[in-house]
Amino acid sequence: AQKVTQAQTEISVVEKEDVTLDCVYETRDTTYYLFWYKQPPSGELVFLIRRNSFDEQNEISGRYSWNFQKSTSSFNFTITASQVVDSAVYFCALSASGGSYIPTFGRGTSLIVHP
Amino acid sequence: GAVVSQHPSWVICKSGTSVKIECRSLDFQATTMFWYRQFPKQSLMLMATSNEGSKATYEQGVEKDKFLINHASLTLSTLTVTSAHPEDSSFYICSARVPSVGLKTQYFGPGTRLLVL
Repeated sequence: AQKVTQAQTEISVVEKEDVTLDCVYETRDTTYYLFWYKQPPSGELVFLIRRNSFDEQNEISGRYSWNFQKSTSSFNFTITASQVVDSAVYFCALSASGGSYIPTFGRGTSLIVHP
Repeated sequence: GAVVSQHPSWVICKSGTSVKIECRSLDFQATTMFWYRQFPKQSLMLMATSNEGSKATYEQGVEKDKFLINHASLTLSTLTVTSAHPEDSSFYICSARVPSVGLKTQYFGPGTRLLVL
């Protein structure tokens, strides 16, 4: 069975603050993939990153960075110097061979960035 | 990159009517498409897996006679909500796998908001 937990339901920050969105996952598979998606008010899911279970290197893309730690089964997402346009719901997802690579989504974290 | 479209983006209907939602892969052939439902402030829940040329596979708790899925071509899957009721109001999202990319990545459509009055 696969499970993704995003314990933070809603986070509110002021512009230019750094913010970290937590994601903890569970799977029995040794081969799996982790994803982050952004869902703005329009509803369309925007793909942010995919990471496979054999690559624990952290990744940085502009103001976005991701910290993957297999030891704690976590794949956290940090936005540096947040902006109002970052306001959205962010979903963490997991897909694994045991689940036919169909992603299981977390409940999402709503990020509100105030000007 | 791969693009998935949905039509309509918004639909409002009266209770008891049926509504058809289309999901198209625009620049690739999708042998497998997926239908998700998302209630307000909740996560995406997989409803069914749609396979071209065969019957859809429904997740537990999803009524197959209520949510008819047809995947008649490699670029089109349709979801028909039959005899819609207010509790069917939701955001429906489809996704597709790109065969050349493999199983690991799904491309999501923009979603369809259904409001049943």
